[in-house]
Amino acid sequence: NAGVMQNPRHLVRRRGQEARLRCSPMKGHSHVYWYRQLPEEGLKFMVYLQKENIIDESGMPKERFSAEFPKEGPSILRIQQVVRGDSAAYFCASSPFQGSSYNSPLHFGNGTRLTVT
Amino acid sequence: AQKVTQAQTEISVVEKEDVTLDCVYETRDTTYYLFWYKQPPSGELVFLIRRNSFDEQNEISGRYSWNFQKSTSSFNFTITASQVVDSAVYFCALSARQTGANNLFFGTGTRLTVIP
Repeated sequence: NAGVMQNPRHLVRRRGQEARLRCSPMKGHSHVYWYRQLPEEGLKFMVYLQKENIIDESGMPKERFSAEFPKEGPSILRIQQVVRGDSAAYFCASSPFQGSSYNSPLHFGNGTRLTVT
Repeated sequence: AQKVTQAQTEISVVEKEDVTLDCVYETRDTTYYLFWYKQPPSGELVFLIRRNSFDEQNEISGRYSWNFQKSTSSFNFTITASQVVDSAVYFCALSARQTGANNLFFGTGTRLTVIP
């Protein structure tokens, strides 16, 4: 049973370009969470999605960032017009049912390391 | 609001020494979970343990042990007989039921270096 798969592992973008990060949840999981880890910091929650729905986006920056989890295919975290401050590791996690991030351990993917030059 | 403090930024120990990583948390919620994750140099996050707020029993798993004390809001992690492979950044995290149930609050991590 494959774990949470994220790609690409490393992504380099120039300022102003768009970054698309993909996350395929574990098989049977319909809930996805995105976290961001800035250099030398802990992870910070960004957004929680269910298939075709955004459940909690309280941690998402108001501009340039968006996330989706379509009925078919991976979840996508999209960053438009990237700036240097967006350079970070972006982690995705999945769970089988709502609220399970509270009462079951979140298993994370290996992350995508975004570098903005 | 939830908060997790890992006051030790970096720790170095010599192989086979014991080491304790401190974690202090803040929450007004009476129902919550605490976690430890390991992030080795390769960058992935490895889940180590989860404890709920109603279970203060200490836990031991091989060379790892955890000491949960609600009276001091601490959830400390001890590695006995440390090994070079234990070198990593260790994160403590908190998830509360009423506030941020979908959202883990992480500390800033403790970088452990085990010197051979």
